[in-house]
Amino acid sequence: QVQLQESGPGLVKPSETLSLTCSVSGGSISSYYWNWIRQPAGKRLEWIGRFYGYGSTSYNPSLKSRVTMSADRSRNQVSLTMTSVTAADTAVYYCATESDSSGWSPLDNWGQGTLVTVSS
Amino acid sequence: DIVMTQSPDSLALSLGERATINCQSSQNILYRSNSKSYLAWYQQKSGQPPKLLISWASTRESGVPDRFSGSGSGTDFTLTITSLQAEDVAVYYCQQYYTNPRTFGQGTKVEIK
Repeated sequence: QVQLQESGPGLVKPSETLSLTCSVSGGSISSYYWNWIRQPAGKRLEWIGRFYGYGSTSYNPSLKSRVTMSADRSRNQVSLTMTSVTAADTAVYYCATESDSSGWSPLDNWGQGTLVTVSS
Repeated sequence: DIVMTQSPDSLALSLGERATINCQSSQNILYRSNSKSYLAWYQQKSGQPPKLLISWASTRESGVPDRFSGSGSGTDFTLTITSLQAEDVAVYYCQQYYTNPRTFGQGTKVEIK
């Protein structure tokens, strides 16, 4: 099973851009659907969107205007960029994979998550 | 979006008791062509990421103890823990993967009384 590790700045100022990376070991980016999910403290999980290893993306309509997902195959990393952040974007951000290549399967492998706080 | 609603929000039971968690989807998530419900259950322990327990409403993942079982179809689903153990203390989430955006229930917190 691939290992996933999220990383990011930890603290982002309001109105700025959040950039997170999911580093992948033990597998190829091209083989999976790469999902980003976030969880504000004490709240339910929210699906942000996903990037398919061959380049297609699907975003949550509630965030679509602010989110971009991409991959750096040379570094074996998947990235999430979110613009114009506010305090409401404060959350633990997870990357997770669907191992099934059908694209309609549950999230069977999760990173440990990275906390992002939006504050001035 | 498909809204996932769990009940109850929390549950406190004694060791060995049976825990039942319900999940209802606002739309049918049964795909008729393969007769599968696109419903997963996750367990999230404090400070950890969610862990997939059950997929397709009732298929237990490898390594998940058989005291965990899932049932239901269409819009109504249940996660059952037949004999609650101390290590089962967690928040449990249901999730639909029938359509995008994927959506989760609000979670059910399971504690030991």
